Amino acid sequence: GQQVMQIPQYQHVQEGEDFTTYCNSSTTLSNIQWYKQRPGGHPVFLIQLVKSGEVKKQKRLTFQFGEAKKNSSLHITATQTTDVGTYFCAGPNSGGSNYKLTFGKGTLLTVNP
Amino acid sequence: DGGITQSPKYLFRKEGQNVTLSCEQNLNHDAMYWYRQDPGQGLRLIYYSQIVNDFQKGDIAEGYSVSREKKESFPLTVTSAQKNPTAFYLCASWGSSYNEQFFGPGTRLTVL
Repeated sequence: GQQVMQIPQYQHVQEGEDFTTYCNSSTTLSNIQWYKQRPGGHPVFLIQLVKSGEVKKQKRLTFQFGEAKKNSSLHITATQTTDVGTYFCAGPNSGGSNYKLTFGKGTLLTVNP
Repeated sequence: DGGITQSPKYLFRKEGQNVTLSCEQNLNHDAMYWYRQDPGQGLRLIYYSQIVNDFQKGDIAEGYSVSREKKESFPLTVTSAQKNPTAFYLCASWGSSYNEQFFGPGTRLTVL
């Protein structure tokens, strides 16, 4: 079945450093979504990318969808303590509908103030 | 306010007891889901339901059961057959008008 892999599993940075997490799918995706889960909280949707090579920005966060639509990345510039949490990518199962998603295992980001 | 509620937030049970986790949504979403989260394991799908009175097994359904008698409700029962039930359980819903799945606050189950 479809697999979505994320690396790294953990990342610890000093506040102000940049951070990147990578997501790779075993199959071509119609879209990819990113979620953030704060410690003790629940996943919250951040963004969806649909087009090949798409790049979207949300303040210090930059999301990229690969040309082959099988990989994606999330880059945070100048991390802050508020960025702490686990970042998940997710892709729809075959058929393209977001009705059923496969989640990566996530990257846990910790930030040292 | 529209959203998903899960209760209770923390639940403790003795080994061998069945326990039912509640999930209610007022978003008018057709699809609902149960995920299990363990440290370093991400989100693993237990059961999902696309419409009332219909549900399908996810990747780790063994030891769990669900029902979907109402659109708003999707309770999960963790049975005594589940070998390692201690985990964080997340309920989610999805509506075709939206891109994303919406998650409830979760229930942390500890089996002693």
